[in-house]
Amino acid sequence: AQSVTQPDIHITVSEGASLELRCNYSYGATPYLFWYVQSPGQGLQLLLKYFSGDTLVQGIKGFEAEFKRSQSSFNLRKPSVHWSDAAEYFCAVGARSGNTPLVFGKGTRLSVIA
Amino acid sequence: GAVVSQHPSRVICKSGTSVKIECRSLDFQATTMFWYRQFPKQSLMLMATSNEGSKATYEQGVEKDKFLINHASLTLSTLTVTSAHPEDSSFYICSARDSKDIYNSPLHFGNGTRLTVT
Repeated sequence: AQSVTQPDIHITVSEGASLELRCNYSYGATPYLFWYVQSPGQGLQLLLKYFSGDTLVQGIKGFEAEFKRSQSSFNLRKPSVHWSDAAEYFCAVGARSGNTPLVFGKGTRLSVIA
Repeated sequence: GAVVSQHPSRVICKSGTSVKIECRSLDFQATTMFWYRQFPKQSLMLMATSNEGSKATYEQGVEKDKFLINHASLTLSTLTVTSAHPEDSSFYICSARDSKDIYNSPLHFGNGTRLTVT
């Protein structure tokens, strides 16, 4: 069965510091991988996705993520965090066949301090 | 870009009443839509898969008679919470991808509906 683990429930970083949010997945084959961001009371906004090709993918708002097959990981990074990045971040996996739903991790809440 | 519109964004209803939530794909067609439920400070749990012109597929533990799903057109799916109870209070989010390009299209999410049952 597909599963996603986000080991960090809550992370606090200083504004301007770098950020890395961890994501590990369990899947029988190479899945599609996604990172979404959710502000309080809002829906989910897609930050970036990995389908194939270059394992380092660039997303919106200066985020990037690297797919590492050997580690079953898809960690999200940003070199310099802004206060507006404070939100909930979800990693998700999806099958490569058909119109199927995504399986989400439990999320990591990011707080940004001055 | 692709937009999924969900309405209402917030609803308060009395226990025993029914509430309908609409999910529309605004600039693409979606033969399939997915309904998720999110409890406070928790992840999204798939409730059901809505299929245009046919019956929805429900996840284990989700009562199909309580959460009625109708997918009447290629751009509209509705979720009706029937005989709502306080334990149904939650955040409901719909999602869909472009049916014309399902292998390259990510899931797009609505802004969610906050349901409070008093």
